[in-house]
Amino acid sequence: SQQGEEDPQALSIQEGENATMNCSYKTSINNLQWYRQNSGRGLVHLILIRSNEREKHSGRLRVTLDTSKKSSSLLITASRAADTASYFCATDTDGGFKTIFGAGTRLFVKA
Amino acid sequence: DAGVIQSPRHEVTEMGQEVTLRCKPISGHDYLFWYRQTMMRGLELLIYFNNNVPIDDSGMPEDRFSAKMPNASFSTLKIQPSEPRDSAVYFCASSLFFNQPQHFGDGTRLSIL
Repeated sequence: SQQGEEDPQALSIQEGENATMNCSYKTSINNLQWYRQNSGRGLVHLILIRSNEREKHSGRLRVTLDTSKKSSSLLITASRAADTASYFCATDTDGGFKTIFGAGTRLFVKA
Repeated sequence: DAGVIQSPRHEVTEMGQEVTLRCKPISGHDYLFWYRQTMMRGLELLIYFNNNVPIDDSGMPEDRFSAKMPNASFSTLKIQPSEPRDSAVYFCASSLFFNQPQHFGDGTRLSIL
């Protein structure tokens, strides 16, 4: 079974708007990661947030983590057509011996 | 810097044939992962290695699947015999440490007819 579940499954927005994707997980974690996958390519790591962190920024990306709710969100500000991709969260299982990827959110940014 | 290199990029073969997928991880990375991605099941971890030693192969679907890592710069995933349900995109990834960012190759798109 999947550790992380993204929501929504798909998101369509206009260029310049913000995009928010959510990830929920089931067991305690050491860290949570977000990845992007462009069509026909491998996953690319975006950001890692540790369980003792609440928020992290990287350029136009902002990630929050709420361990009490077992959830994380990825915010992409001022979206661009090039942000069109699938976005995955990845969590380690309790014990940290396996990384599990969620089903992903497909983001489409219209120019 | 060369990333993770996978070959072939595409493979089309008939059921029953042996399929070998290849991966060259990033130099210096101690962990290597094999994943399978399908629309129905998403991204599944098949097996991972630490310092060339298989650590967890619980995701390998059947005995038809086998993976080896003879040295730090090369790994193979073999399917024998192949079946249509094995059709998927297979990714290799590597990382310096466990639970750290993984670097993915661009995958092998496998079609079994």
